[in-house]
Amino acid sequence: DVKVTQSSRYLVKRTGEKVFLECVQDMDHENMFWYRQDPGLGLRLIYFSYDVKMKEKGDIPEGYSVSREKKERFSLILESASTNQTSMYLCASSSPPSHRIDEQFFGPGTRLTVL
Amino acid sequence: GIQVEQSPPDLILQEGANSTLRCNFSDSVNNLQWFHQNPWGQLINLFYIPSGTKQNGRLSATTVATERYSLLYISSSQTTDSGVYFCAVSYTGGFKTIFGAGTRLFVKA
Repeated sequence: DVKVTQSSRYLVKRTGEKVFLECVQDMDHENMFWYRQDPGLGLRLIYFSYDVKMKEKGDIPEGYSVSREKKERFSLILESASTNQTSMYLCASSSPPSHRIDEQFFGPGTRLTVL
Repeated sequence: GIQVEQSPPDLILQEGANSTLRCNFSDSVNNLQWFHQNPWGQLINLFYIPSGTKQNGRLSATTVATERYSLLYISSSQTTDSGVYFCAVSYTGGFKTIFGAGTRLFVKA
């Protein structure tokens, strides 16, 4: 079974802090994704990565950056946390398009509260 | 871009009842998934079903790609089926997955 893990289930940070959210997958997937989920707004893509050291902006990249130094790990960074970044953050991974099946698997999520 | 519409938005069932959830999409897609988001927020994969019919226990799904819709059937519902059901579509090679707004299901004991 594919397993996607996230470093924290719950996180509380203060405004202005630098925040790292980490995601690890164990299925050698090439694609990894970071989403945030807010009531009434659904899932929105922040960033994705299709290879090590490669990254692409999603729909709402402002205020975030990412890092992919190893294939299995994809980090989301909030350079200076703000209260409007309080949200549920979901990481996902999928097999590459060349495999024809592009099925995404999600981690358990991190509920981040910024005070 | 592709639009994904799910219906109904909310559904309340008595335990043991059956239900059908619908997902309409506005353009051709290569990939379609159904997820269940449990009360703790985790998205659980139910089906990867770009076309055809699949069954897994009390759940089954059918996608008619030519008519751009997919159906998720839940039979003999249980309280543990409660949560939000999402349909998500994408193009192979397109990287971006578009999620519907979800159907919120509550199963009463």
